[in-house]
Amino acid sequence: NAGVTQTPKFRILKIGQSMTLQCTQDMNHNYMYWYRQDPGMGLKLIYYSVGAGITDKGEVPNGYNVSRSTTEDFPLRLELAAPSQTSVYFCASTLTGAGYTFGSGTRLTVV
Amino acid sequence: AQSVTQLGSHVSVSEGALVLLRCNYSSSVPPYLFWYVQYPNQGLQLLLKYTSAATLVKGINGFEAEFKKSETSFHLTKPSAHMSDAAEYFCAVSEVASGTYKYIFGTGTRLKVLA
Repeated sequence: NAGVTQTPKFRILKIGQSMTLQCTQDMNHNYMYWYRQDPGMGLKLIYYSVGAGITDKGEVPNGYNVSRSTTEDFPLRLELAAPSQTSVYFCASTLTGAGYTFGSGTRLTVV
Repeated sequence: AQSVTQLGSHVSVSEGALVLLRCNYSSSVPPYLFWYVQYPNQGLQLLLKYTSAATLVKGINGFEAEFKKSETSFHLTKPSAHMSDAAEYFCAVSEVASGTYKYIFGTGTRLKVLA
């Protein structure tokens, strides 16, 4: 049972480049989330999904897009990378509100 | 909307000393409350959670937290710190909004354990 798997673990992007952060869970969780973590700021919600085909914006969605074509996958897309998107990104999922399962994170640097 | 305040972004304790990490939440309605731990370059791991079954919640690695509604607090404690407890700790509140569960995280407390 792999839980929540994120790829890649590390990535360096140049300003203006695009990339997709992958997130897959094998627990049949309906609810999935993307957070970014910046030093001293805690975790901020970027986007979330309540099930396949349904996504919505969180607290800091600008510069990102998501899709949810299956229950398992919830990729996060950066279209035009900016230095402000340098962060650690975490994907999470849950079946109920009683606890998230987090992925191990993607450390992204935009130069 | 919920908010979570963690007092002290950095806490240092001696090995064997009491660990106390503070967390206050904003709502008067008892929510779900959580403590997560993050070791360097790793994801977040659930330490313990409050779901209204009991006010004193025991978690992994000897940690526990007490829910106090009158003080809107959910402080994390451990009687005796180990070197391996050095990590960053996050308090979080779960609320139901827009048809989903959303976590509101505190800004974290980095625990340093001194030999």
